[in-house]
Amino acid sequence: EVKLVESGGGLVQPGRSLKLSCAASGFSFNDYWMGWVRQAPGKGLEWIGEINQDSSTINYTPSLKDKFTISRDNAQNTLYLQMSKLGSEDTAIYYCARAPGYFDYWGQGVMVTVSS
Amino acid sequence: DIQMTQSPPVLSASVGDRVTLSCKASQNINKNLDWYQQKHGEAPKLLIYYTNNLQTGIPSRFSGSGSGTDYTLTISSLQPEDVATYYCYQYNSGPYTFGAGTKLELK
Repeated sequence: EVKLVESGGGLVQPGRSLKLSCAASGFSFNDYWMGWVRQAPGKGLEWIGEINQDSSTINYTPSLKDKFTISRDNAQNTLYLQMSKLGSEDTAIYYCARAPGYFDYWGQGVMVTVSS
Repeated sequence: DIQMTQSPPVLSASVGDRVTLSCKASQNINKNLDWYQQKHGEAPKLLIYYTNNLQTGIPSRFSGSGSGTDYTLTISSLQPEDVATYYCYQYNSGPYTFGAGTKLELK
């Protein structure tokens, strides 16, 4: 069974950094692109970016490119999202998803709240 | 960036109705479009990929069509469990983008 489990969320002060993790199981992690999507409270979905199998290609939405870094550890079957200079606009549920073009499996999401 | 415009924003329909949701891209996206269903409090779920391919396990009452800039998700006979918000998503060119969603309610 494919499973994606995000962790690392919580309450963080404005301007600080936070690193999210996504633990993958039930499939060959190093065979797939992986991605991150977020959803602000009461809002729609926003594509953050994607990383290919060997980390040689990483794509971001332009507005987050200087703040967020996507990485992966294929030995640990884990995807990461490093977030820096966080602001209130980054308050959202963050989802990781398997991305063979489309997002066929999603994690349950992890909440990040940016507030003083 | 490619803008995805979904209409209507809210749709009320009765059980058994045929329902059509629309998604319009600001430029040709070459059928590189998916549809996702998100029920309240849950993660999104893939329904349709590459315009008209039904994801495994999704009921056959869901179907997708379209080309160029105009795409449609159709539910042939609405069921109570279909109450959700539906998002289209283009991956033709970066940055990839979602539509704002259509919230489907029961009348």
